[in-house]
Amino acid sequence: AQSVTQLGSHVSVSEGALVLLRCNYSSSVPPYLFWYVQYPNQGLQLLLKYTSAATLVKGINGFEAEFKKSETSFHLTKPSAHMSDAAEYFCAVSEDTGNQFYFGTGTSLTVIP
Amino acid sequence: NAGVTQTPKFRVLKTGQSMTLLCAQDMNHEYMYWYRQDPGMGLRLIHYSVGEGTTAKGEVPDGYNVSRLKKQNFLLGLESAAPSQTSVYFCASSYPGSRANSPLHFGNGTRLTVT
Repeated sequence: AQSVTQLGSHVSVSEGALVLLRCNYSSSVPPYLFWYVQYPNQGLQLLLKYTSAATLVKGINGFEAEFKKSETSFHLTKPSAHMSDAAEYFCAVSEDTGNQFYFGTGTSLTVIP
Repeated sequence: NAGVTQTPKFRVLKTGQSMTLLCAQDMNHEYMYWYRQDPGMGLRLIHYSVGEGTTAKGEVPDGYNVSRLKKQNFLLGLESAAPSQTSVYFCASSYPGSRANSPLHFGNGTRLTVT
């Protein structure tokens, strides 16, 4: 089975500062990678996905992620944090069969005014 | 277009009681999933279905049963609830076919407390 590691269960940034949320995966085959965001008392929403078309993926709300095969990483970034970005973020990987998705343990992002 | 709808939103059970969580999707998705979310553990797959009439076990299936009698519905049952099943349960669905790059669409969750 594949696995996903998210370094840092809690990240705090100042409003306007760079957001960097880390995700590393284990996979012996090219993976499909996703970032989801969860706002309080809601389900998860897709931020962006990597499907091998391009290594730099742009998502909603100004977020982007870069796939680095040599580092088995898919870190999420945003140049300037906004108060509305405060949420929990999950990295996920799916198997090539598409039946199962494996989630990281999540990173809670706090934005300080 | 409602997407994925879960009922109920909240429930409190006593140990040993049973209940069924209902998930309905109106996107004609083939695949449906049940996850549980616990603090510090992310989402863990309980059971999933790749089509009407089919189900399969995920990572943490013990204590749960599922049924997919209709394509749009996926039911999660707890026959004898235990305090360890206190969690937030999420249903999700994905696009038809075995496409690994098709994202999951989530419901808003059911918060279950077992006392």
